[in-house]
Amino acid sequence: DQQVKQNSPSLSVQEGRISILNCDYTNSMFDYFLWYKKYPAEGPTFLISISSIKDKNEDGRFTVFLNKSAKHLSLHIVPSQPGDSAVYFCAAKIRFRGNNNDMRFGAGTRLTVKP
Amino acid sequence: GAGVSQSPRYKVAKRGQDVALRCDPISGHVSLFWYQQALGQGPEFLTYFQNEAQLDKSGLPSDRFFAERPEGSVSTLKIQRTQQEDSAVYLCASSSRDITEAFFGQGTRLTVV
Repeated sequence: DQQVKQNSPSLSVQEGRISILNCDYTNSMFDYFLWYKKYPAEGPTFLISISSIKDKNEDGRFTVFLNKSAKHLSLHIVPSQPGDSAVYFCAAKIRFRGNNNDMRFGAGTRLTVKP
Repeated sequence: GAGVSQSPRYKVAKRGQDVALRCDPISGHVSLFWYQQALGQGPEFLTYFQNEAQLDKSGLPSDRFFAERPEGSVSTLKIQRTQQEDSAVYLCASSSRDITEAFFGQGTRLTVV
């Protein structure tokens, strides 16, 4: 049961351009969404998040957009840098479901930023 | 240490062997999670602890998988009679009560031959 989907396994962009990574979810109970970044041989590291009460959250070069009616979110990186090359995971959770706040992850999108 | 620490980093086990994977969470973090990540996939939830209590083990794939956190700090994921399909990276994450994001360790790559 894939509740969080990242349909693009890979994305390649030129340095300085915008990277847009997409994520779709099926469970309307999800109310908090996160993006994690993963380099090879390392664990995922938290990047940015958004609550379902917002439609946009910005942190420096990274902006996450949430479209609840479409059950879709996207991560924009602008300008993209070669150091951004990594696998990006979208994750979703139900924040207030008792004490369990486990996350459901997408399969990831491998971003390559070319110099 | 400052982050989540997992050991060993790599483990090769013969089919049928038992393995134990260790996780040292960030000091003071009450929540601890185990995830399994197969090649080319995202992390899949296995189990969740709040302090020493295992509140959710719905993701454990079979009764060969067992996790414990007896003192509410270090956790061990044990896999009995390993099979080839158990080959994956096992990720541990921890979080505090006041934050929403979890912090991951580097993972243990288990290869069953």
